[in-house]
Amino acid sequence: QKEVEQNSGPLSVPEGAIASLNCTYSDRGSQSFFWYRQYSGKSPELIMFIYSNGDKEDGRFTAQLNKASQYVSLLIRDSQPSDSATYLCAVNVDDMRFGAGTRLTVKP
Amino acid sequence: GAVVSQHPSRVICKSGTSVKIECRSLDFQATTMFWYRQFPKQSLMLMATSNEGSKATYEQGVEKDKFLINHASLTLSTLTVTSAHPEDSSFYICSANREAEQFFGPGTRLTVL
Repeated sequence: QKEVEQNSGPLSVPEGAIASLNCTYSDRGSQSFFWYRQYSGKSPELIMFIYSNGDKEDGRFTAQLNKASQYVSLLIRDSQPSDSATYLCAVNVDDMRFGAGTRLTVKP
Repeated sequence: GAVVSQHPSRVICKSGTSVKIECRSLDFQATTMFWYRQFPKQSLMLMATSNEGSKATYEQGVEKDKFLINHASLTLSTLTVTSAHPEDSSFYICSANREAEQFFGPGTRLTVL
């Protein structure tokens, strides 16, 4: 079983819709969870991090964490074409472990 | 936010040569830096953890004699790909931790001919 798993994608949503990205992790000792956005050919950039169960909102982005289900998600409201990128879920135990990424395409 | 730089951003070299990549934390001190490799359309794979003043910790399957890491100061870590071969062609990314956040460098694209 992979340490961090993401839905494979690609995920395509129309402009203005909500994009939902999901991630599960295997290590129950994981304490911190991150979502990164990576444009093609570029380095990842941090969008959100979350430590506690529940929701955390930042602008159009909402991260949701459920430690009992070992599940973390990222919702993007009012999706824009500029949100088109690969979204990486990362989980930190002793070091950072990344999921394979979900490619999101927002169509105008 | 914190800034991490990498140099060079792109390098093309002949098979058998060695390539050094520098990673610098520009506005904070980083006792630990991380080196990742990313093949096309794949996720980041942690190669090693670089610790200032001590030996790097390599992930399983990463050859320490091929990927030499030196963390000589609190703001600089270097990765040297020795005797590079075409299969080493990849996107190499470093990162550094400041408090609870991890900041990535812009990456170095290595192409070995």
